[in-house]
Amino acid sequence: EDQVTQSPEALRLQEGESSSLNCSYTVSGLRGLFWYRQDPGKGPEFLFTLYSAGEEKEKERLKATLTKKESFLHITAPKPEDSATYLCAVQDETSYDKVIFGPGTSLSVIP
Amino acid sequence: DTGVSQNPRHKITKRGQNVTFRCDPISEHNRLYWYRQTLGQGPEFLTYFQNEAQLEKSRLLSDRFSAERPKGSFSTLEIQRTEQGDSAMYLCASSFSYNSPLHFGNGTRLTVT
Repeated sequence: EDQVTQSPEALRLQEGESSSLNCSYTVSGLRGLFWYRQDPGKGPEFLFTLYSAGEEKEKERLKATLTKKESFLHITAPKPEDSATYLCAVQDETSYDKVIFGPGTSLSVIP
Repeated sequence: DTGVSQNPRHKITKRGQNVTFRCDPISEHNRLYWYRQTLGQGPEFLTYFQNEAQLEKSRLLSDRFSAERPKGSFSTLEIQRTEQGDSAMYLCASSFSYNSPLHFGNGTRLTVT
């Protein structure tokens, strides 16, 4: 059965303190891996799609990487406005392209 | 592109009542997903449509839940005989094709008293 886990559950960083979030996954056939950002009371906002091991994507202070079993979201010199919950999801091509989400990492960036 | 629209934004109902939520996807998106999210958890997959065809439904989904997507446009999610455990945020998402990212609405928050 498809499974996505994320660590840590919560992370507090000082402004400017770089760190990484982890997403580990088990899926029958990986179509793609997605990263989303979610602010309180809102729906998830799309950040990146990664399709194959070794692939990297960047956007401002965020960089996502993918291996065969996990993905990392690196945050460089974060700012308070980066505070949010970051969700990882996998799309299973063997199950009608169903998308399964992990529990998320809650990031707080302190000024 | 006006984004995914969900109505209502909030719904308060008494236990045992039926409720229906509506989702209007981004136009030309043929795939539509429903998820449920509780506080501190990631979105939990409920069901998924390609055009008007319901392709998959979560095994965890009670028979009290039903979803439709007539004519492959908007979708409705109905919960019959609501229970307090149904209290959650119900999220709808749409995508253009099989390898496109999901675009989410801002959800309908259901409170069952």
